[in-house]
Amino acid sequence: GDSVTQMEGPVTLSEEAFLTINCTYTATGYPSLFWYVQYPGEGLQLLLKATKADDKGSNKGFEATYRKETTSFHLEKGSVQVSDSAVYFCALSDSSYKLIFGSGTRLLVRP
Amino acid sequence: EAGVTQFPSHSVIEKGQTVTLRCDPISGHDNLYWYRRVMGKEIKFLLHFVKESKQDESGMPNNRFLAERTGGTYSTLKVQPAELEDSGVYFCASSQEWETEQFFGPGTRLTVL
Repeated sequence: GDSVTQMEGPVTLSEEAFLTINCTYTATGYPSLFWYVQYPGEGLQLLLKATKADDKGSNKGFEATYRKETTSFHLEKGSVQVSDSAVYFCALSDSSYKLIFGSGTRLLVRP
Repeated sequence: EAGVTQFPSHSVIEKGQTVTLRCDPISGHDNLYWYRRVMGKEIKFLLHFVKESKQDESGMPNNRFLAERTGGTYSTLKVQPAELEDSGVYFCASSQEWETEQFFGPGTRLTVL
């Protein structure tokens, strides 16, 4: 079945460092891809999404490009802030209502 | 506009007891979903309601879990009797249409001792 694999955390960075969180997927069709973020004490929030190959999703300085050839959707940010500390989840949807998530990556940004 | 709310935020019970989790979706959202994250692993789909009808409960782990959505508004998820492996975070989400963005609640952390 469809699945999502993302790098294990925690990822610890200093403020203003470059961030990459790797995400790869397995799917039989052409899924939509998502990154969700969960800040402490809050629910999951959609951070960005891409619906077809080569699409780039972006929001709040974060970017991810849908790479069909490598089945990847890596999350990047050029300069992280302390306020970016959260758990990040990569997910896919195979054109149904079900979201299939990865195991989450905790990011800790130190001042 | 209020988001998805869940109650309680945290529940600690003993093995064999019963727990009921509640989810209030965003007003007007006919679609309601339950997911859970066990042992810090991936978040997994449990079931999907459209109004008061269960559309898909393929992710429900076993018959100790019962979800209801009477009147098509809030939903409850009952675990009876709870087992140790049921510990985790239970998320609820809602959406206007099944293919539109799902908005998540903060989750209920369930600890079974």
